[in-house]
Parts: sequence; C-alpha cells; structure tokens
Amino acid sequence: GAVVSQHPSRVICKSGTSVKIECRSLDFQATTMFWYRQFPKKSLMLMATSNEGSKATYEQGVEKDKFLINHASLTLSTLTVTSAHPEDSSFYICSARLSGGNTIYFGEGSWLTVV
Amino acid sequence: GQQVMQIPQYQHVQEGEDFTTYCNSSTTLSNIQWYKQRPGGHPVFLIQLVKSGEVKKQKRLTFQFGEAKKNSSLHITATQTTDVGTYFCAADSGTYKYIFGTGTRLKVLA
Repeated sequence: GAVVSQHPSRVICKSGTSVKIECRSLDFQATTMFWYRQFPKKSLMLMATSNEGSKATYEQGVEKDKFLINHASLTLSTLTVTSAHPEDSSFYICSARLSGGNTIYFGEGSWLTVV
Repeated sequence: GQQVMQIPQYQHVQEGEDFTTYCNSSTTLSNIQWYKQRPGGHPVFLIQLVKSGEVKKQKRLTFQFGEAKKNSSLHITATQTTDVGTYFCAADSGTYKYIFGTGTRLKVLA
C-alpha cells in the first residue's frame, strides 16, 4: 500500500533554532499534503494545506511566518518551525492525498522537543 | 468553521464489556475515517465510510455512518486489553481536509 514517510521521527532542538520536518510520499505522487499538530492527550489540529508549486493555505490562528511550509515536488513537503520555543514542542504529523484520487495517507509523525 | 465532536471523552470498561464512541459533525460530510492511537504512538487508520447509512465490520469493531452523513459511530464488542487507546474520527466535507474529532480515550480494566 501507499506509504508516507516523515523524517525525523524524533528531534530535540534548542530554543531559538529552526528545525525542518520532511513528509515524503514514497510510492505515489501527492499534489496536496496536510500538516497537523497534536498536543499531549489532545486531538490533531490541522495547521495548513500544502499544495505542490504554490503557497500553503494556513488555518486560522496558525502563524505562517513561524511554520514555513514548502511543497517543492509531488513527493515532498517540508515544515520548518522557525525560532523554536518550548511551547512549539508537539507531535507533528502530515498526510498526503493521492493525486487524482480521494485517498489520504498519514505519515507516522514527528516528535519535536524544544529545550 | 466545521466542528467535530466525539462523546464520551473518556470511557473505562471492564474487559469483555462493549464500548461505543460517537462522532458528530456540524456539517454534512463527504466521508469519515476512524483512527486508533495508542499512548505514545501515532494514529493508525482503521476504516473509511463513504455512503449514507453504511455499516462496516472488522472483527469485533462495527463502524456506522449516519443516514444524514453528519454522524458516525464505532462499536467494539467484548473489549480486550489490546483495545486500549484513543479513538478519533476524522471528517471530510469534500475538500480532503480531514478535521479530527476530539477523541475518546478508552481504558479496559482486566
């Protein structure tokens, strides 16, 4: 079946630094990818929709300058958390929509800890 | 914006008892998915429902999509300790943007 890979699965970074998380569709093309974040014991909150070759669409309340999303190819979207703070520590997970289809595949998520 | 609520928020059951979680959307849905997340893990896809009134079964799990396509339920028969986790519904209004429900955390007491 289709696989979505996220890297890194776990990352620890220092306050003030930036960290990039990659979301790759391994065996299919994805014109659209979605980024979610999940706080401990909470639900997944949609952050933004990433479209290949165009700017991401951010959900209300999500700072686009803080969470930079780039979808440069049909198989890769990246989320960069800039000037990270401890409150950015969270579980970030992406999903990818099969191009031309209506099936969504989720990655396994990335745990970010900012110290 | 679209809201997806799940009830109950928590459920503790004795092993062998049944369990049901309900998912309600403020808008009509194109389809709905269900996920299970174990503590410390990532959400794992269980099933997708598309048709009005659809019922699907996976062993002890029964999934139902409401006739109006605004609600769904997940029922587990004779729970086991391996059923422990948080169950999320994820609702799509036709834009492929899945909005996750608030989740129901299930604990099964042996």
